Amino acid sequence: DPKIIQKPKYLVAVTGSEKILICEQYLGHNAMYWYRQSAKKPLEFMFSYSYQKLMDNQTASSRFQPQSSKKNHLDLQITALKPDDSATYFCASSHTGGEGTEVFFGKGTRLTVV
Amino acid sequence: QQQVRQSPQSLTVWEGETAILNCSYEDSTFDYFPWYWQFPRESPALLIAIRPVSNKKEDGRFTIFFNKREKKLSLHITDSQPGDSATYFCAANDSGYNKLTFGKGTVLLVSP
Repeated sequence: DPKIIQKPKYLVAVTGSEKILICEQYLGHNAMYWYRQSAKKPLEFMFSYSYQKLMDNQTASSRFQPQSSKKNHLDLQITALKPDDSATYFCASSHTGGEGTEVFFGKGTRLTVV
Repeated sequence: QQQVRQSPQSLTVWEGETAILNCSYEDSTFDYFPWYWQFPRESPALLIAIRPVSNKKEDGRFTIFFNKREKKLSLHITDSQPGDSATYFCAANDSGYNKLTFGKGTVLLVSP
């Protein structure tokens, strides 16, 4: 059973629209993240949350807004979608405390903006 | 500026050979180096990891060699199997942050 659930698996959106990518984890982790992977760029860190608080934001655009309604949820709202936003978005989680804690990845949401 | 570099971009070896994947990094504050592998249409998964207190980490057929002075590490896969064919990502982390910085990956193909 997948322990990090991402929905939807595939998503096609029109340029200029808004979408929300859903992520829930059942690993008991306190830290959650979003990463992006596209043909042009390697796995790219976007955000990290710890105990539902934003810890790090490496996304230049404010069009990307994470939302944490519960400790084990971290959704990603993307507004004014552009074709360049087309990528696979991975939600991930880990225990907090640093020292090289393993980061687990969900199966991803493949977003295509047309 | 790319913080983590990997080479080669792609590598083909015969079954049974040793594959060597290279990685280098810029930031001296990095203190945790996991390698992830990713199969087509799958998510990345942790394969093996090392911290700079060690210069070698072994797990079955997979071994990381680490050179802190040169800021280089390599992943050796001995007795390569076709099932090892995947994209391998070297990553680095600054302690306490768990913000993994990934290299661009090496695509490994093991031919039977």
